[in-house]
Amino acid sequence: DAGITQSPRYKITETGRQVTLMCHQTWSHSYMFWYRQDLGHGLRLIYYSAAADITDKGEVPDGYVVSRSKTENFPLTLESATRSQTSVYFCASSDTGGNLEAFFGQGTRLTVV
Amino acid sequence: DAKTTQPPSMDCAEGRAANLPCNHSTISGNEYVYWYRQIHSQGPQYIIHGLKNNETNEMASLIITEDRKSSTLILPHATLRDTAVYYCIVRIYGGATNKLIFGTGTLLAVQP
Repeated sequence: DAGITQSPRYKITETGRQVTLMCHQTWSHSYMFWYRQDLGHGLRLIYYSAAADITDKGEVPDGYVVSRSKTENFPLTLESATRSQTSVYFCASSDTGGNLEAFFGQGTRLTVV
Repeated sequence: DAKTTQPPSMDCAEGRAANLPCNHSTISGNEYVYWYRQIHSQGPQYIIHGLKNNETNEMASLIITEDRKSSTLILPHATLRDTAVYYCIVRIYGGATNKLIFGTGTLLAVQP
């Protein structure tokens, strides 16, 4: 199906474990973004990518690693999860032309215990 | 990207127009104003954007002041389904750094 999908939708992990959140889009959009949203707060940009193999830090990058070997995929890795990383994570993609509308995934709810 | 300031919350009666203000006094000449909304637990949804002219689409209208230091999103006939957090964002169009930075937004509560 066309669109942007995140997996898993829900994840519980233990402190100190590595966990990877997946994001896949089918539009071949150049830009992809990762956000976190904590209860009662707005979205904060973690990392973004302008194209395959081009990534840059956002507002809150510490504790996260990203890669983008293929245009359609933009995985987010927590190398050693901490309780403060419990959050809802949203992935988005956007093209370089048109109105730059960003399309968001359904979110991944991550709980670190 | 320029910062934006929005009221934390607003109420609106169902069927009436909802006018959501946004201040972006440090906006630069090549930055566009974008509006998104986020309905509970879902990913944000694009609404509209503009540079300096007023814009209208099937969802809303965007009014930008002449000095571009503020704007207003208008939902002409608010419904209960318009209850959401509305984010005003300023963003360089097509620039090398194409970040999309969200502020805290305005929680619009449409009342029956």
